[in-house]
Amino acid sequence: QSALTQPPSVSGSPGQSVTISCTGTSSDIGSYNRVSWYQQPPGTAPKLLIYEVKNRPSGVPDRFSGSKSGNTASLTISGLQAEDEAAYYCSSFTGTSTFVVFGGGTNLTVL
Amino acid sequence: QVHLVQSEAEVKKPGSSVKVSCKSSGGTFNNYNINWVRQAPGQGLEWMGAIMPIFGTANYAQKFQGRVRITADESTRTAYMELSSLTSQDTAVYYCARDLYSGSPNEFEYWGQGTLVTVSS
Repeated sequence: QSALTQPPSVSGSPGQSVTISCTGTSSDIGSYNRVSWYQQPPGTAPKLLIYEVKNRPSGVPDRFSGSKSGNTASLTISGLQAEDEAAYYCSSFTGTSTFVVFGGGTNLTVL
Repeated sequence: QVHLVQSEAEVKKPGSSVKVSCKSSGGTFNNYNINWVRQAPGQGLEWMGAIMPIFGTANYAQKFQGRVRITADESTRTAYMELSSLTSQDTAVYYCARDLYSGSPNEFEYWGQGTLVTVSS
C-alpha cells in the first residue's frame, strides 16, 4: 500500500491536456508545500519534473505544471506529446522519521 | 554538472547482505543529502533513507530501521547503502539520488543509473 494515492493510469491524445492527482493526508501533502513529481520512461531512472508543488527545474518544459489543494496535489501536462508516455510519481515530505513518501505511480498513455 | 555512478548488479542469497555504492562527481558532495530509493520489479518508488556527508549521520525510513545502513566517504565522494537479512522481497533496483538543494530530503534532482539486486536461493 503506497502512502500517497495516484490513479493507476491516464490517457490522452496528442495536443490534449491530462491531469494526474496525488492524494495524501494532513500529515504530508496537507502540511507541507514539499510535493515533487517525477517522470520515469521504461528502463530509466526517474527525472524531477516539479518541486515544491509548482516549481520546474531548469530544462523542464512549461507544459508541465503542478498545483495543490488541501491534501491533494496535481500534475497537469498540456499539449501532450508522444514522448510524454511514461510513469509519473508524486512524492511528499512528511516531517516524520520517514522523511519522504511516494505515490504508487500513474502510467500515462498517449493515444 | 553532478553525475552519480553506482556499482554493478548483484545476486545474493536469502539471509545475506548487500552493499551498493554511489560515486559522485561534479558539484558539491558534502552538504547535500544522498538518498536511497528502491523500485521492485513493476512496482513504485520507495524511499529508504538519506545521509548528508558533512554530518555523517543517516536518517532511515521506519520500514528499514535496523536493517539498512547508509554511510558516506567524503574523501572519495562515495555513498554506500548496506541492506541486511535479505529476502526475495528485497529484489529491486536500488537508486541513489542527490537533493536539489541542501536541507531536508524530498527533491531528488540527480539520480544514479540504478543497481539491480536479485535475491535468490
